[in-house]
Amino acid sequence: SQTIHQWPATLVQPVGSPLSLECTVEGTSNPNLYWYRQAAGRGLQLLFYSVGIGQISSEVPQNLSASRPQDRQFILSSKKLLLSDSGFYLCAWTPLAGTGGTEAFFGQGTRLTVV
Amino acid sequence: GNSVTQMEGPVTLSEEAFLTINCTYTATGYPSLFWYVQYPGEGLQLLLKATKADDKGSNKGFEATYRKETTSFHLEKGSVQVSDSAVYFCARYSGAGSYQLTFGKGTKLSVIP
Repeated sequence: SQTIHQWPATLVQPVGSPLSLECTVEGTSNPNLYWYRQAAGRGLQLLFYSVGIGQISSEVPQNLSASRPQDRQFILSSKKLLLSDSGFYLCAWTPLAGTGGTEAFFGQGTRLTVV
Repeated sequence: GNSVTQMEGPVTLSEEAFLTINCTYTATGYPSLFWYVQYPGEGLQLLLKATKADDKGSNKGFEATYRKETTSFHLEKGSVQVSDSAVYFCARYSGAGSYQLTFGKGTKLSVIP
């Protein structure tokens, strides 16, 4: 069966420090991968999505970046965090387009607090 | 572009009340439609889905019908329980050429005894 792992679960980082959140998927190949941010009272915002290794689409310009070094690994990074980067970050995957079952599967999320 | 608009909360209901959370979507392409639920401190879980017009998704007493003529996918439940308290997200997925899963802003539901 497929599983998705996201870590860490919580993180407190000072302003200006770097960030690396990791997400891995098991049990499937060629998934579409997504990073979302959920800020308090602002719903779910799509940050990045990827349809393959090295292919990243950015939805919102900001100081975050994403990389996909392996088929089932998706990393969210920042060189210098801002206070406004605080929020709940969710990784998700969907099956390869065209294979049906377009349900998205989510990780448990990372609560990031920038202080 | 692709977008989803859902009723903003918060919504507070008494136990056994009827629930409706409205959701409309942009009609670009032939999206699949979803309702996700997020319990406190957790990620999102799929609640129900519909992949084509007139499909009805249902789960745990919740229902939603894919209405192409009104571009809507409203969530309903006849009798809510305290355990239904959560944030509900409407979403659309366009796989062809876009691969984007787009969410509404979420509606927080609180059910009181």
